This record gives sequence, structure tokens and C-alpha cells, in this order.
Amino acid sequence: KQEVTQIPAALSVPEGENLVLNCSFTDSAIYNLQWFRQDPGKGLTSLLLIQSSQREQTSGRLNASLDKSSGRSTLYIAASQPGDSATYLCAVPYSGSARQLTFGSGTQLTVLP
Amino acid sequence: EAGVTQSPTHLIKTRGQQATLRCSPISGHTSVYWYQQALGLGLQFLLWYDEGEERNRGNFPPRFSGRQFPNYSSELNVNALELEDSALYLCASSLTPDYFGTEAFFGQGTRLTVV
Repeated sequence: KQEVTQIPAALSVPEGENLVLNCSFTDSAIYNLQWFRQDPGKGLTSLLLIQSSQREQTSGRLNASLDKSSGRSTLYIAASQPGDSATYLCAVPYSGSARQLTFGSGTQLTVLP
Repeated sequence: EAGVTQSPTHLIKTRGQQATLRCSPISGHTSVYWYQQALGLGLQFLLWYDEGEERNRGNFPPRFSGRQFPNYSSELNVNALELEDSALYLCASSLTPDYFGTEAFFGQGTRLTVV
């Protein structure tokens, strides 16, 4: 059974700081890994999708890396802004023929002005 | 292009009643997934539909059911509502997954409150 862990659970940083969010998964036989953002009480916004054959994916100030062999992914946010405050979730497809996502519990990020 | 849309946004029901939640996927997407996000708990997988058929089901009782229509929209039905069913219900859609998987896109959710 796939298990996804995210640390830290919460993070508070001053505006402008670069930061790294961590995600680890127990089963390395994944198809891809997806990072999402969730604002309070809202749905999920897809940030980045990394295919299993990729090591890195970038979108604007966001950079996600994937190391399948060690079961780890990181989300790097450059020059953080108060608008980046949200919960960040990583997710991987469950296993085998299943395609639903298994989610980590998320990192709640607060960027202070 | 319209994203995943869910209705209603909020739903208040009495214990024992039935709730029906609706989801319209992104145009061209054939897979629809339902997830439950209860307070203090993570996102839990409920159901996956693809091409009109149920492909997989999470660890939820049978009173959670659904269907997918020919236009790929989907309904989630929750019968005999219990207080612990209160949660944000999220729908996601994707293209039919291939070997590499596929990106999932989520709607804004339906907040179900059972009183």
C-alpha cells in the first residue's frame, strides 16, 4: 500500500525567502507525481506534474524534483510571496492498474509580509 | 476552456437523508474521480469512473455510490447520511490514464454538512 508523507506539516517564512517542501512515498513504482495547492475551503489547483521518467519540472517560481529510487520529491518555491500562502499537497497514483491518487497530508505554508 | 465544475457549492442535509452531488469534467476528459476531505483527515479516494463504468472504489460503505453519464458527467450519491459524512467532496477529471498516468484536475468542491 502506497503511503505519502509530507514534512514539515506547517511552515512560516518571511516574504522573499526561498523554501523547500518535502514529499516522500513508500512505493517507488509510480507513474508520476503531482503537486497541488489548496486554499482554505477550496478545491485543488494543479501546480506541477512530473512523469516517472523525469527528474525535474519547472513552472515560473516553482521547481519540483523527483527521485524515484529514494522515494522523494521536493517542491522549491523561489522568492515567496504572501499570495503563496496555502496548503501544498503531493500525490501519486495508488498502484498497479489503479489510477486514483494517494495524497500526503500537506504542508501549510504561511508567507508573512 | 471551462474547468471541472461541481454543484451545489454547499449542501445541508439532515441525518438519514440522501445527498446528490454533481460533477462536470473538463471537455474531452473521460475519467472522473471522487474524493472526500473531512476535517482533520486527508483526502480519501471514493470512486473512479471511466467511460461510464466504475473502475475502482475506495474503502467506503455501499451507501456511497455514483454513476457516470454518457456525456462523462458524474453523480455521487450518499444515502442514509451520518454526521461524519460532513466533509468537502472533491471531483477530479483526467484523460483516460495510460502507462504514464495523466494529470488530474480538480473542481472547487461541494461542502456537505449533515445536521
